[in-house]
Amino acid sequence: DIVLTQSPDSLAVSLGERATINCKSSQSLLHSSNNENYFAWYQLKPGQPPKLLIYWASTREFGVPDRFSGSGSGTDFTLTITSLQAEDVATYYCQQFYTTPYTFGQGTRLEIK
Amino acid sequence: QVQLQQWGAGLLKPSETLSLTCAVYGGSFRGYYWNWIRYSPGKGLEWIGEINHSGDTNYNPSFKSRVTISVDTSKNLFSLKLNYVTAADTAEYYCARGGGSIPSYGYWGQGTLVTVSS
Repeated sequence: DIVLTQSPDSLAVSLGERATINCKSSQSLLHSSNNENYFAWYQLKPGQPPKLLIYWASTREFGVPDRFSGSGSGTDFTLTITSLQAEDVATYYCQQFYTTPYTFGQGTRLEIK
Repeated sequence: QVQLQQWGAGLLKPSETLSLTCAVYGGSFRGYYWNWIRYSPGKGLEWIGEINHSGDTNYNPSFKSRVTISVDTSKNLFSLKLNYVTAADTAEYYCARGGGSIPSYGYWGQGTLVTVSS
């Protein structure tokens, strides 16, 4: 199975500051057929289903604020939240769709400092 | 507007069978893979498996032979059965739409909390 390791496990950031979450894959998620990374980011809040933020590693889902951005390729990926808002408090997960079983990172809990 | 609505029993005893169903409203049922995913505080998010409209399935080997996902294309719904549940299967279970041209889960059911307790 592909293992996704997120860092850090938890993060406290001041309102208006930048939050950066990393995800490292045990193998490349870049598909040679279309040169796309089969990788996504989700936001999970209590009592709600996960919300898709980013797919193809760097494409923002429709309706997601532009303070959320994804970057990286191959095995190393980053989710950046610029100018943190109170509503961004959540746990963030990365996921790979390169091969089954699809796997998730262990999650990064984001809090307000 | 695509909506997924799920239902099923929320309290089970050990060794019983978990059974959940997810109905899809809006959009096309064909051309996608329909997934089951669960969340627990101890294990985070876990992918259970998926099925398409033709009945082709992919399962997470972690669930071995306990899991069955089926589809009813006449009603645009799909179902999950997980046999011989234990306390370790206590989790929030979600259905989600995957596959298509964009590999990601953009649409989710509301979730069903399943508790396994004697």
